[in-house]
Amino acid sequence: QMQLVQSGAEVKKTGSSVKVSCKASGYTFTYRYLHWVRQAPGQALEWMGWITPFNGNTNYAQKFQDRVTITRDRSMSTAYMELSSLRSEDTAMYYCASSPYGDDAFDIWGQGTMVTVSS
Amino acid sequence: EIVLTQSPGTLSLSPGERATLSCRASQSVSSSYLAWYQQKPGQAPRLLIYGASSRATGIPDRFSGSGSGTDFTLTISRLEPEDFAVYYCQQYGSSPPRAFGQGTRLEIK
Repeated sequence: QMQLVQSGAEVKKTGSSVKVSCKASGYTFTYRYLHWVRQAPGQALEWMGWITPFNGNTNYAQKFQDRVTITRDRSMSTAYMELSSLRSEDTAMYYCASSPYGDDAFDIWGQGTMVTVSS
Repeated sequence: EIVLTQSPGTLSLSPGERATLSCRASQSVSSSYLAWYQQKPGQAPRLLIYGASSRATGIPDRFSGSGSGTDFTLTISRLEPEDFAVYYCQQYGSSPPRAFGQGTRLEIK
């Protein structure tokens, strides 16, 4: 079955960077969009950006434009989300999710990766 | 940028009752590209409804979606104990971002 498996929890210092991975299985990695969504404790879901694994094109939410980089490794069927200049407000659960096209709902979700930022 | 506003913030109902959740968009959602997700504590969201009214694979028929333009509704016909969760709407048809609403918490009365 189609599945996304994310890397484990991270604890980071303020000002540093974090890189979270998301490995796809059960489908052809290049055929679907891969999104990143975060959720601060007790808060709503927040879309961060997407990548088209076929060609590596990305689209980022304006809020994260200067700090987020989404990449992929086609040979590993894995996408990555790197967030830099971390601050305490970045403490959140980070999810990857997949959709068949850009204009499609997210029908597959990873289990989430908790990122904690402290000084 | 489309902003989605969900109401109510919290809905208190009993098992067996009917739940009606609302999602209002700040501008028209193109081609009814509106989805609903369910999220239980400690779990990732799960897709319930896409295209405003189509149920995702494996979703029970007590869940239904309706609406178009700027007003959308998720209805749960008869609440089961496992339906108590947080529900989010999302638009995915216009230019990014793929905005989510702030969520409606459905709790047991």
